[in-house]
Amino acid sequence: DAMVIQNPRYQVTQFGKPVTLSCSQTLNHNVMYWYQQKSSQAPKLLFHYYDKDFNNEADTPDNFQSRRPNTSFCFLDIRSPGLGDAAMYLCATSTRLAGLASTDTQYFGPGTRLTVL
Amino acid sequence: AQKITQTQPGMFVQEKEAVTLDCTYDTSDPSYGLFWYKQPSSGEMIFLIYQGSYDQQNATEGRYSLNFQKARKSANLVISASQLGDSAMYFCAMSTYGNKLVFGAGTILRVKS
Repeated sequence: DAMVIQNPRYQVTQFGKPVTLSCSQTLNHNVMYWYQQKSSQAPKLLFHYYDKDFNNEADTPDNFQSRRPNTSFCFLDIRSPGLGDAAMYLCATSTRLAGLASTDTQYFGPGTRLTVL
Repeated sequence: AQKITQTQPGMFVQEKEAVTLDCTYDTSDPSYGLFWYKQPSSGEMIFLIYQGSYDQQNATEGRYSLNFQKARKSANLVISASQLGDSAMYFCAMSTYGNKLVFGAGTILRVKS
């Protein structure tokens, strides 16, 4: 089945130790998003790629970086994780950036739950 | 600015009964999309249903229907014949051009047997 895959599902890292989260998709969607979701809160958009064009949200800390080497894969790099970065990280994809049709729906992966010790 | 309001932090429903989850929105854009997602305890965000601002009819997907009242800026989700597997967090979200989803705070639904 076409889908959005995230690896690993659970990641434990140490304070200050760089970590990379992975997202892949078989939907051939143009847009890939990364969200951070803390406990009992709504997801918060960190950034997105439209093809190779990167768009960072204004309030996303510099500690968070992203790479999209090809259409299928997108990575989230946290350069120096702090305790406040412990959260669920959700990857999502969509065909285009206009959310005005059902075909623009964002489809999410299962998420990676990050623990920072 | 766009805003989504979900006023019910938590809801209970008896198995096999219907339940309505409330969602109101605010936007000055004439074109927008409204989405409902389900998030079980496992964490995955599951797309349920979509309603476009120009759609004349309310959206339906199986047991899910969206009660869209444009003048009142509400987009309530109705789940019919609730099942134990419906227990989850439910998020209402809105997008305008640019497809940035604005989420509500969510409603936790618990289905009782």
